[in-house]
Amino acid sequence: QQQVKQSPQSLIVQKGGISIINCAYENTAFDYFPWYQQFPGKGPALLIAIRPDVSEKKEGRFTISFNKSAKQFSLHIMDSQPGDSATYFCAASMNAAAGNKLTFGGGTRVLVKP
Amino acid sequence: NAGVTQTPKFRVLKTGQSMTLLCAQDMNHEYMYWYRQDPGMGLRLIHYSVGEGTTAKGEVPDGYNVSRLKKQNFLLGLESAAPSQTSVYFCASSYWDPGEAFFGQGTRLTVV
Repeated sequence: QQQVKQSPQSLIVQKGGISIINCAYENTAFDYFPWYQQFPGKGPALLIAIRPDVSEKKEGRFTISFNKSAKQFSLHIMDSQPGDSATYFCAASMNAAAGNKLTFGGGTRVLVKP
Repeated sequence: NAGVTQTPKFRVLKTGQSMTLLCAQDMNHEYMYWYRQDPGMGLRLIHYSVGEGTTAKGEVPDGYNVSRLKKQNFLLGLESAAPSQTSVYFCASSYWDPGEAFFGQGTRLTVV
């Protein structure tokens, strides 16, 4: 049973375009929603994260939008660049008492064409 | 500052063989995790530890064992490898704040 569902599985966007990745979760105990970026041959690295008391968070060209009532959150990559080509994972985590376990979505492979 | 280091980086095992994957972190993190990554499945938690001497089962623990004898090290063992355990394995560690995990570079394991 996948608690975090991510779509699409892959995405091709032209340089300068907008990449949008969506995630939906089921467990209302989740209270931290990070996005991880993974380049080929590397481990995932934290890109940006949001807590449910905020509806949007922006860091440079990356924006997370969060809809608590719909239990959905999304990543927008503005002005996409070839260097953004990577696999992106959404994730959700419970509080410290639950061991900080991250539950990941299935991943989205993004290819930015020059 | 090395962060999270995994050894080995690549390994081929025959069915039924055993092996141990080593994870070492130098950030003094309490929490450590082992994940496996398979295409389309994201990263699935195998086992985790909330501190030295503790371990707990994650989402897919069957066929694996772990130990955390020292705070900086987290070992993942496969007692009798099966082809279904062919995967890329990632170790991660984190502070008490939830969510920000630091990952190693992975171990690609093939079981033939």
